[in-house]
Amino acid sequence: SQELEQSPQSLIVQEGKNLTINCTSSKTLYGLYWYKQKYGEGLIFLMMLQKGGEEKSHEKITAKLDEKKQQSSLHITASQPSHAGIYLCGAGIQGAQKLVFGQGTRLTINP
Amino acid sequence: DGGITQSPKYLFRKEGQNVTLSCEQNLNHDAMYWYRQDPGQGLRLIYYSQIVNDFQKGDIAEGYSVSREKKESFPLTVTSAQKNPTAFYLCATKDRGASPLHFGNGTRLTVT
Repeated sequence: SQELEQSPQSLIVQEGKNLTINCTSSKTLYGLYWYKQKYGEGLIFLMMLQKGGEEKSHEKITAKLDEKKQQSSLHITASQPSHAGIYLCGAGIQGAQKLVFGQGTRLTINP
Repeated sequence: DGGITQSPKYLFRKEGQNVTLSCEQNLNHDAMYWYRQDPGQGLRLIYYSQIVNDFQKGDIAEGYSVSREKKESFPLTVTSAQKNPTAFYLCATKDRGASPLHFGNGTRLTVT
């Protein structure tokens, strides 16, 4: 069973549109991380959320962690071709030491 | 990430052979991790180590082995017992406290 569930698994949007990716767990998360990956390459760190209710933004990407620390969302405003890739959420389970990831969301931006 | 070196980038082996993937870091991070990624899927945790000479199994440790004799190094051996070893393998490190994982560029292993 997957400890972190991401949705959707695949997303195709028109350039300029907004989009949201979700990451959910049935367990309390100890640190929530968002990464971006181009296929076959390493992961690029986007943001880290620690506290319930926390929200962070970088350029056109905003990430939130809910109050219960069991769900996070990643929102992209006015999407651009450079946003295309695979987005992965990761989190600490069973304390902060065991770090697991969701299945990933493949984002395609159509011009 | 310039601080984590995974080598080689591509690795080919025949079925039945053990193969060792290298992961070296100069970030002075205590914790190191190995993940496996299959096409179209996320990362699955194989093994992790918080300190030298200690490591824990992740979710898919069967058919793999690791060692942590030095802080800088965390090699992963894919044994012949691993039924589907062809995959993209990523090594990561983490500093203490609230800090993100730092990833290497990965090794793509193909077993035929």
